[in-house]
Amino acid sequence: GESVGLHLPTLSVQEGDNSIINCAYSNSASDYFIWYKQESGKGPQFIIDIRSNMDKRQGQRVTVLLNKTVKHLSLQIAATQPGDSAVYFCAENPPNAGNMLTFGGGTRLMVKP
Amino acid sequence: ETGVTQSPTHLIKTRGQQVTLRCSSQSGHNTVSWYQQALGQGPQFIFQYYREEENGRGNFPPRFSGLQFPNYSSELNVNALELDDSALYLCASRGGLAGAVGETQYFGPGTRLLVL
Repeated sequence: GESVGLHLPTLSVQEGDNSIINCAYSNSASDYFIWYKQESGKGPQFIIDIRSNMDKRQGQRVTVLLNKTVKHLSLQIAATQPGDSAVYFCAENPPNAGNMLTFGGGTRLMVKP
Repeated sequence: ETGVTQSPTHLIKTRGQQVTLRCSSQSGHNTVSWYQQALGQGPQFIFQYYREEENGRGNFPPRFSGLQFPNYSSELNVNALELDDSALYLCASRGGLAGAVGETQYFGPGTRLLVL
């Protein structure tokens, strides 16, 4: 079956630097993508989403980029803070799948003070 | 906080037993989905309930079943527990139509199940 995956399992950055977390998806027909943040002992927390008719979407300190040509999704975090330390998951909503989200394996972001 | 609550927070069962996990969706949300998250992995979709009926199912055996109530709260039941069922079980709720794309799902804190 098709799946969502991540390039880097662990990312370590210095506080104040920008972070980029990458994700590759294989279902070219997926039309909705979401980034979630999961802290230890908690459920996934919605960060930002993007539909397939967009290339970029910005939130507060976060930007999601979608490159449909190479089926790539990225999450950019500006001025990374210690509170950003968590595991980040990308998820896709495949076509004809209703509410089902397919998650990747996650990337752990570690922010060094 | 997402407004999605789950109970219990932790649970220990033995192989062969049955378990019921509960979820209260965010106010106004009519669709509830359940996910299983094994340690170190991403969540895996179990099934979805919309207006009290199952409306989509992932690759899980029939011993995983559920219910949704008129107030949109939901239960996940697992029969004949196996060791591999040990995981974090997440509930997510959303509004809108069942098949609509782009409606954000909000997750609860999860129930951690340990099967011995």
